[in-house]
Amino acid sequence: AQKITQTQPGMFVQEKEAVTLDCTYDTSDQSYGLFWYKQPSSGEMIFLIYQGSYDEQNATEGRYSLNFQKARKSANLVISASQLGDSAMYFCAMREGRKSGYSTLTFGKGTMLLVSP
Amino acid sequence: DVKVTQSSRYLVKRTGEKVFLECVQDMDHENMFWYRQDPGLGLRLIYFSYDVKMKEKGDIPEGYSVSREKKERFSLILESASTNQTSMYLCASSFAGGVNQPQHFGDGTRLSIL
Repeated sequence: AQKITQTQPGMFVQEKEAVTLDCTYDTSDQSYGLFWYKQPSSGEMIFLIYQGSYDEQNATEGRYSLNFQKARKSANLVISASQLGDSAMYFCAMREGRKSGYSTLTFGKGTMLLVSP
Repeated sequence: DVKVTQSSRYLVKRTGEKVFLECVQDMDHENMFWYRQDPGLGLRLIYFSYDVKMKEKGDIPEGYSVSREKKERFSLILESASTNQTSMYLCASSFAGGVNQPQHFGDGTRLSIL
């Protein structure tokens, strides 16, 4: 079974609108971390936002917020007021507590977001 | 800011060549990683290292080896390059410790094996 599932291969949004990118995860660990990365067409992977399994508040970083629903095992990324520069591939990733010493991440397959004027 | 530098953005090599991909980080991170990224397959971990001279196999180590002689440098080696190793290669580094440590990535190397 996949540990990280991103069901949307692609999403379209108009500039200035909000968009939600879905991510569900599977783990039996109590302690885990969830991350979102952005990859523009140039190729670099940019760390956006982090949510810990014990965090009670949803994480926010500027226009990015993470809608964390622990019981549903979902960690959706919300981008408010989309900009043309948000067009990129977005990856959800998880680090599980048992493996935290080695800090390995498991990635989803990504969602391509296209922002139109 | 964390800086992870990969030696080449684009590289073209021939089948059978020995290929070296270099990665340097400037944040004194304990952990370093090599991934390959292919369309539809996402990022797959090749090897990682949690200390100098220490390495662990990831999900797809076949055909690759690694070297970490200094803390800041992690090299990926294709012993005898093959066309199915044409891919995007990404290096990353992070602090060790808890689940809250993000990995920081380099700009990637697009490797073509002809």
